[in-house]
Amino acid sequence: QKEVEQDPGPLSVPEGAIVSLNCTYSNSAFQYFMWYRQYSRKGPELLMYTYSSGNKEDGRFTAQLNKASQYVSLLIRDSQPSDSATYLCAATTGGFKTIFGAGTRLFVKA
Amino acid sequence: NAGVMQNPRHLVRRRGQEARLRCSPMKGHSHVYWYRQLPEEGLKFMVYLQKENIIDESGMPKERFSAEFPKEGPSILRIQQVVRGDSAAYFCASSPNGEATGYGYTFGSGTRLTVV
Repeated sequence: QKEVEQDPGPLSVPEGAIVSLNCTYSNSAFQYFMWYRQYSRKGPELLMYTYSSGNKEDGRFTAQLNKASQYVSLLIRDSQPSDSATYLCAATTGGFKTIFGAGTRLFVKA
Repeated sequence: NAGVMQNPRHLVRRRGQEARLRCSPMKGHSHVYWYRQLPEEGLKFMVYLQKENIIDESGMPKERFSAEFPKEGPSILRIQQVVRGDSAAYFCASSPNGEATGYGYTFGSGTRLTVV
C-alpha cells in the first residue's frame, strides 16, 4: 500500500465548476500535509500547506484535513482553464523527507 | 531572483554512458533535494544534501548513482552506466532550512533523461 494515494484522474470539468481533489494516507505519523500544482513539463509548486484538522482557505483554494479519517482534500472554487494541471498531495512526519502521491490530472474546459 | 536552476533540460544518453545532472539552488538556500518522477508515478525521494555533506541518501540506488553538493558550484547527480530504466524526469528542490513544511520546497523545472 502506498503511503499517500490519489485518484489519477483525469478529471475534466467546465470553467466555473467547484472541484474536489482527494487524497488518503496510511502513515498515521504524518503531521504536515501539502498540495503542489505541477504544470506539464514544469516542476511542482507549493499551493497549500496545513497541519491541523479542519479547513484552511487561500483565495479560491481550500485545503481540508481530517486526521481521524487520514484524509486530505483540495477544493477549488470557480475553476479556471489555468487551473489545468496535475495536483500532487504530499505529507511529511516533520523534517525534510516528503512523500508524494502520484497526482491527479485536472482539465478545466473553457 | 532566479529560482532553482537545473540543466540540461533534456538529456539523451546511450546505454552504458554517464549522465550528469546539475542543480543550482535558490539564492540563500543551502539545502538541496533530488527527486525522480516516472510517468504516472509520484515524485520519489532520492537524496538530501547540504553543502559538502550528504544528509540522507536512503532513496538512491546503491549502485551507479551518486550525488554531491560542493562548497562552490551546483549540486550534481551522477548516473554511471545508464540503463533504459533510468529514463525519467529528475527534479531538484531547495529550501532555506531542513524543513519540508511551511514554505515547502522550491522545485526546478527538471531534467528529462532519455536512455536509448
